Amino acid sequence: QLQLQESGPGLVKPSETLSLACTVSGGSISSSPYYWGWIRQPPGTGLEWIGHIYFTGTTHYNPSLESRVTISVDTSKNQFSLKLTSVTAADTAFYYCARHYTGWSLLYWGQGTLVTVSS
Amino acid sequence: EIVLTQSPGTLSLSPGERATLFCRASQSVSSSYLAWYQQKPGQAPRLLIYGASSRATGIPDRFSGSGSGTDFTLTISRLEPEDFAVYYCQHYGGSPPLTFGGGSKVEIK
Repeated sequence: QLQLQESGPGLVKPSETLSLACTVSGGSISSSPYYWGWIRQPPGTGLEWIGHIYFTGTTHYNPSLESRVTISVDTSKNQFSLKLTSVTAADTAFYYCARHYTGWSLLYWGQGTLVTVSS
Repeated sequence: EIVLTQSPGTLSLSPGERATLFCRASQSVSSSYLAWYQQKPGQAPRLLIYGASSRATGIPDRFSGSGSGTDFTLTISRLEPEDFAVYYCQHYGGSPPLTFGGGSKVEIK
């Protein structure tokens, strides 16, 4: 069974860079025909797609975040990562990593990690 | 950008009743790229339906999806206690952004 686990700091200062990693177990990123993505959810509100990556490194980003986002993949570690620069309080959210499935649905999800932006 | 509008915002029902949730797209979309999720407090979303009408593995058959064009529906035929949650629709046709609806909460009446 494929499992995803987010890791990274739970507190980031305003104007700094948020960095998270998603470690995949139970399957190989490089053998999957599907994209791997990041989604966030401010507490008590809805879901926002950040972007996704293929094992070859091809990425697509949400235009609303594109200027601040980088998603990368490290197949040797079976991980993919998120960097979000110049964060503000509006970036406080639960961050989920996930794997796509048929029709660009999202079948496998990490448990999520709360990142708070505060000084 | 495809905007997904879900209704109602909140649905108050009793166990055993039928729930019908709606998702309207701002322009016509392929049903192949429309999905539904369930999210309970403190948990990640769970895929219920993909391709507008195909149930994901392990999803009970009381959940069904239908629709085409701009109007899609998620139906829960008989609510079980564990079905009270928030439901989201989602679309991605290959061009960013992937979008989610604002969610519909099914609460116990």
